[in-house]
Amino acid sequence: GAGVSQSPSNKVTEKGKDVELRCDPISGHTALYWYRQSLGQGLEFLIYFQGNSAPDKSGLPSDRFSAERTGGSVSTLTIQRTQQEDSAVYLCASSLDLAGLGYNEQFFGPGTRLTVL
Amino acid sequence: DQQVKQNSPSLSVQEGRISILNCDYTNSMFDYFLWYKKYPAEGPTFLISISSIKDKNEDGRFTVFLNKSAKHLSLHIVPSQPGDSAVYFCAATIIRGGGATNKLIFGTGTLLAVQP
Repeated sequence: GAGVSQSPSNKVTEKGKDVELRCDPISGHTALYWYRQSLGQGLEFLIYFQGNSAPDKSGLPSDRFSAERTGGSVSTLTIQRTQQEDSAVYLCASSLDLAGLGYNEQFFGPGTRLTVL
Repeated sequence: DQQVKQNSPSLSVQEGRISILNCDYTNSMFDYFLWYKKYPAEGPTFLISISSIKDKNEDGRFTVFLNKSAKHLSLHIVPSQPGDSAVYFCAATIIRGGGATNKLIFGTGTLLAVQP
């Protein structure tokens, strides 16, 4: 079956512009996560959506970052007024939610490489 | 504050030998640990995991060891194969109790190169 897909695969933008990154999770997965990997860094948690619950936004680095998940499926990560330090690979992951049954494996998409000039 | 640390950015081993990748963590609340493997231009893929109630988990050529007192885990690959060459990320999370979250806290990764 289809895995997690992300678009675009690459995005080059100028400092100060807004960008939108898209994630299509695996069908039936109720949990969706955004992470980013900056050069030389590990994957950093950004935001987590779980069903109809309020998202966990604790990892968003600034108020220029926002994300939404429409209809419990597709998610869009928006970065406003991009800065050079926003350059990174942005990864989306999805999982089932088997609450109380331990860890739910997260399946990752290929990522979007964002370059801010 | 780096809660999960991989102090070796790279490791090179000969085909057929053992690869040992190490990871340290600081948060004693972590109760579930994972290793992910990542090839260039692809997302990370799950490799193996271990609960904090265990000290070893084995899956084929891959074994993860957990030493809770030292807050240390390691991944052993035996025998190593050229196809194992990739970046390996250690990750940790909390899955039980009031602090449970599905957020994965990752280390910075170790690039493994297996020489033929």
